[in-house]
Amino acid sequence: DTEVTQTPKHLVMGMTNKKSLKCEQHMGHRAMYWYKQKAKKPPELMFVYSYEKLSINESVPSRFSPECPNSSLLNLHLHALQPEDSALYLCASSTQENTEAFFGQGTRLTVV
Amino acid sequence: QQQVKQSPQSLIVQKGGIPIINCAYENTAFDYFPWYQQFPGKGPALLIAIRPDVSEKKEGRFTISFNKSAKQFSLHIMDSQPGDSATYFCAAIDGGATNKLIFGTGTLLAVQP
Repeated sequence: DTEVTQTPKHLVMGMTNKKSLKCEQHMGHRAMYWYKQKAKKPPELMFVYSYEKLSINESVPSRFSPECPNSSLLNLHLHALQPEDSALYLCASSTQENTEAFFGQGTRLTVV
Repeated sequence: QQQVKQSPQSLIVQKGGIPIINCAYENTAFDYFPWYQQFPGKGPALLIAIRPDVSEKKEGRFTISFNKSAKQFSLHIMDSQPGDSATYFCAAIDGGATNKLIFGTGTLLAVQP
């Protein structure tokens, strides 16, 4: 099973709302990632968790707050977003031995 | 140094043709090179990957060629089909503990019937 599951698939939220994106994998991977992708651009790394600890924050604004409750789950909490934060948010996971990452299908986020 | 340069930006081929997508890098710490295929509205899907000690790898109709001395690698799609129409990203993994994945800029491929 090489599946990374993301929910919801689509999300529309107002600038004053609080919402969360969820990601789950059951491949035993110990590294998990959040990426943001704008149209016609490559995915941009936001956060990396390694063994459930935040190891990389790519200078992401604090209105995005990641959380890793356990080795299979990754959340991204959203608060006071701006319209320019509208994008496809991708979760990925990988082993720790410098191999490829497996991506979920993404959450299409629209901020109104 | 952290960049992966990808070309062309877009590519149109006829069905049965062999599109070739090229990537280049500078950082010698990169030690794993996956290719991803992405359809509109979907997440990137892993196609094939290679390590720099291998010069060529084939999986089905997809072949990676790797030139370590030139720090270049390329994807060839044999007998291309309209269903191969997608955006293709090369990527490189920095060989540190965090598995940081650096993407190329992407190539939009259209295979015409």
